[in-house]
Amino acid sequence: DQQVKQNSPSLSVQEGRISILNCDYTNSMFDYFLWYKKYPAEGPTFLISISSIKDKNEDGRFTVFLNKSAKHLSLHIVPSQPGDSAVYFCAARWGGGGADGLTFGKGTHLIIQP
Amino acid sequence: KAGVTQTPRYLIKTRGQQVTLSCSPISGHRSVSWYQQTPGQGLQFLFEYFSETQRNKGNFPGRFSGRQFSNSRSEMNVSTLELGDSALYLCASSLFGGLADTQYFGPGTRLTVL
Repeated sequence: DQQVKQNSPSLSVQEGRISILNCDYTNSMFDYFLWYKKYPAEGPTFLISISSIKDKNEDGRFTVFLNKSAKHLSLHIVPSQPGDSAVYFCAARWGGGGADGLTFGKGTHLIIQP
Repeated sequence: KAGVTQTPRYLIKTRGQQVTLSCSPISGHRSVSWYQQTPGQGLQFLFEYFSETQRNKGNFPGRFSGRQFSNSRSEMNVSTLELGDSALYLCASSLFGGLADTQYFGPGTRLTVL
């Protein structure tokens, strides 16, 4: 059973507009969430993270929102740029053991159109 | 500072053989995690090593094993290869593997089992 779900396999957005990528999770034990970006033939690159005690975290053009009651998080990219075209993975982990691995969603392929 | 390196980048094996993959973490990082990426299952956590000890393990059969050396370099071994083991194997390193420690990924080793 998938504990982290990204229901949109792909998303197409015009350059300069806002990109919103969504992620849902089922495990209420998760208390740390991350977004990674992946280009073909490269490993995932860390983008931004958020602790479960927060509901928003910003870093430049990237903002992550967390709604714990809905078990939902989203990544906003404003403005979208051509270099943002990549696969975006949502990931989660829980702090119980302190050493567990990341649980990933299956990714959303973001395509920025000129 | 050099990033996470993985060798080899590509590997072709036949069913029944065994394979060893290598990962060199970022200098100073003591935690190394391994992930398997397949089109069907996405990115899945294999195991994590810290100070030469396996701290956590994902849901994979015993054919998948690993180890970590005193310099934090890690190897992953898959014995009795099956066709379904064809995947991209990613290694990630972090300082201590703590909840908020960012995991930095290598480019991966693409394993093809024929």
